Amino acid sequence: AQKITQTQPGMFVQEKEAVTLDCTYDTSDQSYGLFWYKQPSSGEMIFLIYQGSYDEQNATEGRYSLNFQKARKSANLVISASQLGDSAMYFCAENRDDKIIFGKGTRLHILP
Amino acid sequence: DVKVTQSSRYLVKRTGEKVFLECVQDMDHENMFWYRQDPGLGLRLIYFSYDVKMKEKGDIPEGYSVSREKKERFSLILESASTNQTSMYLCASTPGVTGVTEAFFGQGTRLTVV
Repeated sequence: AQKITQTQPGMFVQEKEAVTLDCTYDTSDQSYGLFWYKQPSSGEMIFLIYQGSYDEQNATEGRYSLNFQKARKSANLVISASQLGDSAMYFCAENRDDKIIFGKGTRLHILP
Repeated sequence: DVKVTQSSRYLVKRTGEKVFLECVQDMDHENMFWYRQDPGLGLRLIYFSYDVKMKEKGDIPEGYSVSREKKERFSLILESASTNQTSMYLCASTPGVTGVTEAFFGQGTRLTVV
């Protein structure tokens, strides 16, 4: 079965510092996609960033970038210059053959 | 504005009741999903559907069934609710086109079984 591993259940980071949230996956397929979602305390799921397995460049969206290391099967999320509003749960997910599987999440706390 | 709508935000049901959770999307998406979210366990896939009347089991289908009679609607059914099915349930949809990106989520239904 597909498996997404997020090894950091919780993290505390000082405001304005950069943050790296870890994610590894275990697919042996050639074609797949990787996502990151943010879930604030309100509960909504907010799409942040996507990386396709054939994309040669790391995906970036504003302050978010995805450090994609295909050989290591890792897709870490990097948040630059963290803000208080970044405090939330973060989920990594894989889309393989239209089936989307999520990791257990990392709860990020940004400290003022 | 794209939308996935779940019929209830909060539900309280009794043990043994048959429970229906409804999800409707207005984006003509092919794929629809039901997840449950529990603290420390993330989102776990219950069932997904890639076409009308088509369904596939996810990682935790036991105690659940689904129905997709129309493309826009995907229902999750708890045949006989139990207290261990108390959880947050999230519905999502994707276009189903290769290479397309995000899943769109509903607002969630918090189900309590007493």
